[in-house]
Amino acid sequence: GESVGLHLPTLSVQEGDNSIINCAYSNSASDYFIWYKQESGKGPQFIIDIRSNMDKRQGQRVTVLLNKTVKHLSLQIAATQPGDSAVYFCAENLGDSWGKLQFGAGTQVVVTP
Amino acid sequence: DAMVIQNPRYQVTQFGKPVTLSCSQTLNHNVMYWYQQKSSQAPKLLFHYYDKDFNNEADTPDNFQSRRPNTSFCFLDIRSPGLGDAAMYLCATSRDGGAYEQYFGPGTRLTVT
Repeated sequence: GESVGLHLPTLSVQEGDNSIINCAYSNSASDYFIWYKQESGKGPQFIIDIRSNMDKRQGQRVTVLLNKTVKHLSLQIAATQPGDSAVYFCAENLGDSWGKLQFGAGTQVVVTP
Repeated sequence: DAMVIQNPRYQVTQFGKPVTLSCSQTLNHNVMYWYQQKSSQAPKLLFHYYDKDFNNEADTPDNFQSRRPNTSFCFLDIRSPGLGDAAMYLCATSRDGGAYEQYFGPGTRLTVT
């Protein structure tokens, strides 16, 4: 069978509160970053992206912040809903011509009523 | 409409019995990727195609092969599956190399008995 996986960091959030998910990336040459949401048994779903010439980008209920000085990325979800329960991955484009992404470890978000 | 399609969604194979997983895309994207994802872990890139050019990750076992007969289709062949190969296999596409979003399929869950 499948080997036992690691335990993901878990963020427990009350419905209606704001969520902040953090990610440290590794490569100073990375120039593009994506946040993905993955629900159980499904493929990763694009949430929002940001390029290295920006430090903030907003979408619908989501905001991504990029701090290149400390190589840190965060995803803020406003008014968290039960449907936001999922694993969230940050991914960095390593700046090569292949478009390869390196994924972070992931954060499990659990929304409680 | 689904843009990245993976078949089958669930695949059971026996130890050592070759298996092929299929991916197709309707996006006409140049790049197609195959990832392996184990429980509670991030997706791990196995290899990718830029058009017909194949690029293998250095740590991808020789047991894993891929074919891309045309723009729309890409296959993952596991020549002799071991118990450790049980995982979710994700296909993704990207419009081009460089800093573009990757679109993921729903994945194929492979079980090895």
